[in-house]
Amino acid sequence: EDQVTQSPEALRLQEGESSSLNCSYTVSGLRGLFWYRQDPGKGPEFLFTLYSAGEEKEKERLKATLTKKESFLHITAPKPEDSATYLCAVQDANTGFQKLVFGTGTRLLVSP
Amino acid sequence: EAQVTQNPRYLITVTGKKLTVTCSQNMNHEYMSWYRQDPGLGLRQIYYSMNVEVTDKGDVPEGYKVSRKEKRNFPLILESPSPNQTSLYFCASSLYSMTGPDFSQFFGPGTRLTVL
Repeated sequence: EDQVTQSPEALRLQEGESSSLNCSYTVSGLRGLFWYRQDPGKGPEFLFTLYSAGEEKEKERLKATLTKKESFLHITAPKPEDSATYLCAVQDANTGFQKLVFGTGTRLLVSP
Repeated sequence: EAQVTQNPRYLITVTGKKLTVTCSQNMNHEYMSWYRQDPGLGLRQIYYSMNVEVTDKGDVPEGYKVSRKEKRNFPLILESPSPNQTSLYFCASSLYSMTGPDFSQFFGPGTRLTVL
């Protein structure tokens, strides 16, 4: 069974204090790993897709990386507007590539 | 503006009273999906559709029905709602190709359902 575990559950940073969020996954074969951002009261917003180990994607202060067992979302010099819940999800190439399995998210709070 | 719309946004109902949550997208996407989000459980897929008249079960389909008669619409039907279906529901859409759905998907704003 596909599993996605995100850590930490919650993270509090000061503005400018860089950190990383972790997404560990178990799938029979990875087709894609996805990162989303969710603001309170809103639907998730797509950030990145990663397909193979070693791949990296960047967008503003965010950089996502992928290994064979986990993905990291690195946040460099965060700002208060980066506060949100970050969700990780995997698409299994073998057992259910039509479906997405999500982790429970990391709630990030960036204080000024 | 590219968007996924859901209605209603908030709904309080009673056990057993049939309800429908509508979902519509304006991007001509083939793939549409319904999720529910519960504290501590994350987002779980209920049903998905690869195109008109093609639907399949996700991970938590019990108690739900869907239909896809038009490409833009994908309503979620609860024939006899129960309190354990109290949740936050999201509809999403994306492109679909020979290799499957492109999960860089657009999500709707959510429907908060309370079943008493």
